[in-house]
Amino acid sequence: QQQVKQSPQSLIVQKGGISIINCAYENTAFDYFPWYQQFPGKGPALLIAIRPDVSEKKEGRFTISFNKSAKQFSLHIMDSQPGDSATYFCAAIIYNFNKFYFGSGTKLNVKP
Amino acid sequence: DAGITQSPRYKITETGRQVTLMCHQTWSHSYMFWYRQDLGHGLRLIYYSAAADITDKGEVPDGYVVSRSKTENFPLTLESATRSQTSVYFCASSVREETQYFGPGTRLLVL
Repeated sequence: QQQVKQSPQSLIVQKGGISIINCAYENTAFDYFPWYQQFPGKGPALLIAIRPDVSEKKEGRFTISFNKSAKQFSLHIMDSQPGDSATYFCAAIIYNFNKFYFGSGTKLNVKP
Repeated sequence: DAGITQSPRYKITETGRQVTLMCHQTWSHSYMFWYRQDLGHGLRLIYYSAAADITDKGEVPDGYVVSRSKTENFPLTLESATRSQTSVYFCASSVREETQYFGPGTRLLVL
């Protein structure tokens, strides 16, 4: 059973457009929701993260929207650029029980 | 300024052989992790360690063994490799459970 469900699997966006990636979870015990960005041949790197007591967090062109009641969170990339083309993973962590779960990933292609 | 390194970067082995993947970090981070990455599954946690000599199972530990005698090293051993263990393996470290810093990965092919 997948703890964190991520969609879509792949996404094509025109340069300047908005990229939106969604994740859903069931376990209300999760404490922390990070997003990772991975370029081909590299390890994932933390992009932005949010805690469940916050509904939105923005860092530059990247925003996480968090809906606690719906148990969903999403990554929005504003003004998407070809350099944003990568695979994005959402994740969910439970601190006390040391549980770490990643979504299945979204491959983003930003066309020039 | 090496950060976190993994070796080897690529490995081909045969079914039944023992394989050890190495992970080394220079930050003295308490936490270290091993993940495998497969298409359609994202990253799945194999084992993690909260400190030297403290290890615990993750989501998919079967067929793997870890040890952590020193803070900076966290080797992962496949005791008897199987084809289903063909994957890309990532090591990560963190000060706490939050921001994990990933290594470059090891691509393992089991024939």
